[in-house]
Amino acid sequence: GAGVSQSPSNKVTEKGKDVELRCDPISGHTALYWYRQRLGQGLEFLIYFQGNSAPDKSGLPSDRFSAERTGESVSTLTIQRTQQEDSAVYLCASSLVAGGGNIQYFGAGTRLSVL
Amino acid sequence: RKEVEQDPGPFNVPEGATVAFNCTYSNSASQSFFWYRQDCRKEPKLLMSVYSSGNEDGRFTAQLNRASQYISLLIRDSKLSDSATYLCVVRSGSQGNLIFGKGTKLSVKP
Repeated sequence: GAGVSQSPSNKVTEKGKDVELRCDPISGHTALYWYRQRLGQGLEFLIYFQGNSAPDKSGLPSDRFSAERTGESVSTLTIQRTQQEDSAVYLCASSLVAGGGNIQYFGAGTRLSVL
Repeated sequence: RKEVEQDPGPFNVPEGATVAFNCTYSNSASQSFFWYRQDCRKEPKLLMSVYSSGNEDGRFTAQLNRASQYISLLIRDSKLSDSATYLCVVRSGSQGNLIFGKGTKLSVKP
């Protein structure tokens, strides 16, 4: 019943390590989105999933970034060989379906710091 | 030209003031429009959707001008609790991701 849940809330890692971020959408929401927000910047779209359709990966900044979603539930965003410029808050959102006026509800985000 | 542009502010206003934020978008095919609010170090939350005819929710009024590709948000009788960053948000297609402006920071002072 709760909102979008993301874990961990904070992650500190060393440059070159892989990280995995998790998102639990609101139950029943078929669309799930990942965004990135660097310090003092706007939100940057990364990827979205809608049901069983192929995901829209057009926002992923490099091939080090990938995401998966199991059915209409949990999603994981993986960043391989992290770089300092990957430091940001990674926000997940879900909506009932994609498109139209469907409202996206955001999780509290994962704050990633790459040292 | 950026897809969604906003004046970054900050707007520093006294309590009770009326303040207006503007936003322009570049894709004339954009179909859905929203204002989100983001408090410091928090996630964005929907403030209101924006409809073609304009809409009001209490002290907040949103307007859309499709011909000029322009969206506005008016806050009347501003409160200290209105201090936040206001994000103009556009959805361009029939599906999919939202395009966020960088936000306009509002600080309401006593």
